[in-house]
Amino acid sequence: QKEVEQDPGPLSVPEGAIVSLNCTYSNSAFQYFMWYRQYSRKGPELLMYTYSSGNKEDGRFTAQVDKSSKYISLFIRDSQPSDSATYLCAMGGGYQKVTFGIGTKLQVIP
Amino acid sequence: GAVVSQHPSWVICKSGTSVKIECRSLDFQATTMFWYRQFPKQSLMLMATSNEGSKATYEQGVEKDKFLINHASLTLSTLTVTSAHPEDSSFYICSARPSPGGTDTQYFGPGTRLTVL
Repeated sequence: QKEVEQDPGPLSVPEGAIVSLNCTYSNSAFQYFMWYRQYSRKGPELLMYTYSSGNKEDGRFTAQVDKSSKYISLFIRDSQPSDSATYLCAMGGGYQKVTFGIGTKLQVIP
Repeated sequence: GAVVSQHPSWVICKSGTSVKIECRSLDFQATTMFWYRQFPKQSLMLMATSNEGSKATYEQGVEKDKFLINHASLTLSTLTVTSAHPEDSSFYICSARPSPGGTDTQYFGPGTRLTVL
């Protein structure tokens, strides 16, 4: 079993839809949770960083962490074609090195 | 803020030659930098952790004599792929963790696409 599981997609949604991206993990030592956006042939860009269970909102993006279920989510409201990219979850903490999910490819169709 | 640059952005070289990739944190200091490889449709694979002023820590299976890492200052780390072969062709991405630390937030460079002929 991989430490971090993420559906690679692709996920296609119409413009304006709410997008839900998810990751599950098995290592209960993870304390920090991050979401990165990666455009084709570019380096990942940090979108959200969370430390504890609960929700964190930043503009159209909401990150949700449920440590009891070892499940994290990223919601994108009012999705735009410019949101089309691959979204990577990542987690780390303590003596754990940061571990990345495989990434979910998202396509927002105009 | 938190900008990381990489140079070159792409490079094509002949088999057997060495290639150096630079990673710079432009507006912050980074005691720790990381080097990753990414193959198509695969996640980021950590190759090594680079600490300023000390030897890099390599992940299992990564040849330290082939992938030379130097972290000479708080804003610069270099990765040299020695005697490159076609199987080394990949997307190499560095990241930097601002110091002082306290979180695992990493800021990534734009990546370097290496093609070995």
